[in-house]
Amino acid sequence: EPEVTQTPSHQVTQMGQEVILRCVPISNHLYFYWYRQILGQKVEFLVSFYNNEISEKSEIFDDQFSVERPDGSNFTLKIRSTKLEDSAMYFCASTGQTNYGYTFGSGTRLTVV
Amino acid sequence: GQSLEQPSEVTAVEGAIVQINCTYQTSGFYGLSWYQQHDGGAPTFLSYNALDGLEETGRFSSFLSRSDSYGYLLLQELQMKDSASYFCAVRDQSSASKIIFGSGTRLSIRP
Repeated sequence: EPEVTQTPSHQVTQMGQEVILRCVPISNHLYFYWYRQILGQKVEFLVSFYNNEISEKSEIFDDQFSVERPDGSNFTLKIRSTKLEDSAMYFCASTGQTNYGYTFGSGTRLTVV
Repeated sequence: GQSLEQPSEVTAVEGAIVQINCTYQTSGFYGLSWYQQHDGGAPTFLSYNALDGLEETGRFSSFLSRSDSYGYLLLQELQMKDSASYFCAVRDQSSASKIIFGSGTRLSIRP
């Protein structure tokens, strides 16, 4: 069964550093997303991406964050100048044209120290 | 905006049936989804309802009543592996490009 692949699975970074989280969505999917989940809390929407541009972003997704699809297969989330409160599990997801069910990757656990 | 309410915890016995309810408020409505998440794992898509009624997929069924802004997930013949968190999620017309998750219901199964 097709999978969404995320790397790395764990990332520890110092406060103020930049991190890039990587995702390879399912190849024939058209819609891509980043969500995050702080430990024990709900899954929060960050950004959606379609046709090589951002469709929508949440209040969380401020100037500190950016997304890119550099080569037609990878989908990246960059967090500049990380803060302690950015520590969370970050999930990438993709959907096909039906846009009904999302396939999530296994996530990147980001720890900012 | 959107808001969803679901119970924070439910406990059930192996082999039994359990229903997890979800009520929502949206400015428009496209559909209600359900996702399962095991501890440390990714959310996994279970079902989607855009129209009123019951959708069945094996041991899991999902129901929607748009007039009541209400849905539920029904799990039958519970197995220990069903212990997980279950999230309802809504798409609405103001923002069809994303789904918004509820806070999740932690289901614990007792032998």
